[in-house]
Amino acid sequence: SQKIEQNSEALNIQEGKTATLTCNYTNYSPAYLQWYRQDPGRGPVFLLLIRENEKEKRKERLKVTFDTTLKQSLFHITASQPADSATYLCALDDTNAGKSTFGDGTTLTVKP
Amino acid sequence: DAGVIQSPRHEVTEMGQEVTLRCKPISGHNSLFWYRQTMMRGLELLIYFNNNVPIDDSGMPEDRFSAKMPNASFSTLKIQPSEPRDSAVYFCASSFGTSGNNEQFFGPGTRLTVL
Repeated sequence: SQKIEQNSEALNIQEGKTATLTCNYTNYSPAYLQWYRQDPGRGPVFLLLIRENEKEKRKERLKVTFDTTLKQSLFHITASQPADSATYLCALDDTNAGKSTFGDGTTLTVKP
Repeated sequence: DAGVIQSPRHEVTEMGQEVTLRCKPISGHNSLFWYRQTMMRGLELLIYFNNNVPIDDSGMPEDRFSAKMPNASFSTLKIQPSEPRDSAVYFCASSFGTSGNNEQFFGPGTRLTVL
C-alpha cells in the first residue's frame, strides 16, 4: 500500500542548530515533492518544490534534497530560530496524478 | 489579493443537521481542492476541481458529502446529514494548474464541530 512517513517524533532543537526533517515514501513515483509549513490554527503555507530530476534545492536558510532511489526527501533549516517552530508537511504527487498527498507532518520546536 | 477565503471560520452543529462550507479561491487560479484535517488521519484530500469540473472525488468519505463549483470564484462542500465523526478542520486550497507541480494556497480553514 502507499505510505508517506515523516519523523515519527516531534523534533526539539536549540536555536542556531540545523534542523533536519525526513519524508520517506513507499509505492509512489512522484514527479514532484513539496514542503509546507503549518502554524497552529492556520492553513499550510508552501515553502519549496523539488522535481524528481533535481537532487537539491535551496531557499535562504532552507534546503531540500530528493533521492528517488532511497525514496526519501530531507528538509533542512540552518541557523534555526524560535520563529521556525511549526509543523512541517511534505506532499507528493503520484506520476502526475494532478493531486498531492500529504504526510502527517513533523512538529519542530526551536528553543532559545 | 485577499487569498483564499473560507466561511464560516467555525461551525458548531448537531448531529443530523446539514452543513455547508464555502470557499472563494484566488482569482485566476483554475484548480480548487477541499481537504479535511484531523489528528488521527492528518490532511486528506476530499475532492479537487479543475476549471470548475470535478476531477477526482475519490477522497469523499461517503454519499453524505457533496461538493460543487458553479463558477470559477465559488465552491461549496456540503455534509448532509452531519455526524460527530465529521468533526474536523476543513481547508480549501487553490492553485494555478494541478497541485503536484504548483504551489497550493490554503485558506484559513473551517473548524467544524458536530455534537
